[in-house]
Amino acid sequence: DTEVTQTPKHLVMGMTNKKSLKCEQHMGHRAMYWYKQKAKKPPELMFVYSYEKLSINESVPSRFSPECPNSSLLNLHLHALQPEDSALYLCASSLTVLPNSGNTIYFGEGSWLTVV
Amino acid sequence: AQSVTQLDSQVPVFEEAPVELRCNYSSSVSVYLFWYVQYPNQGLQLLLKYLSGSTLVKGINGFEAEFNKSQTSFHLRKPSVHISDTAEYFCAVSITGTASKLTFGTGTRLQVTL
Repeated sequence: DTEVTQTPKHLVMGMTNKKSLKCEQHMGHRAMYWYKQKAKKPPELMFVYSYEKLSINESVPSRFSPECPNSSLLNLHLHALQPEDSALYLCASSLTVLPNSGNTIYFGEGSWLTVV
Repeated sequence: AQSVTQLDSQVPVFEEAPVELRCNYSSSVSVYLFWYVQYPNQGLQLLLKYLSGSTLVKGINGFEAEFNKSQTSFHLRKPSVHISDTAEYFCAVSITGTASKLTFGTGTRLQVTL
């Protein structure tokens, strides 16, 4: 089962709302990622968690707050977002963060976020 | 820092014709190379990857890619495309020995028509 599940698939939120995106994997992976993808652009890395600890934050604004409650779950808490934050948010996972021969990054289908 | 260039933003091709999607990379250290496909309104799916060894890599759905170190290229090929291959294709690179931090190219839209 090589599946990363993301919910919700679509989310519309106002600039004063607080919402969360959720991601789950049951592949025993210990590295999890959040990427942001704007229309017709490549994905851009936001955060990397390794063994449930934040290991990379790509200078993401604090209105995005990641959380890794356990090795299978990854959340992205959203607060006071701007319309320019509207995008596809992709969760991904891999066995570890080390790019060795057995380590493929698997992506979920994404959550489409619209900020109004 | 590493970078990836996909010169062709769009590649139109007729069904059953061969196709090549170009990818060039730049890095001062050894890299791992990947091709991902993104179908409309979906996430990314790994097509194939080059880590080491044979420079010709075979992937899913009949795709293959060849790593050329001297030309710093990793072009994706398929001998005969199908309508269902219509999608966005991303080339990506990560530096060996560091965290799995993928750097993506800007993508190539493969449009297959009858």
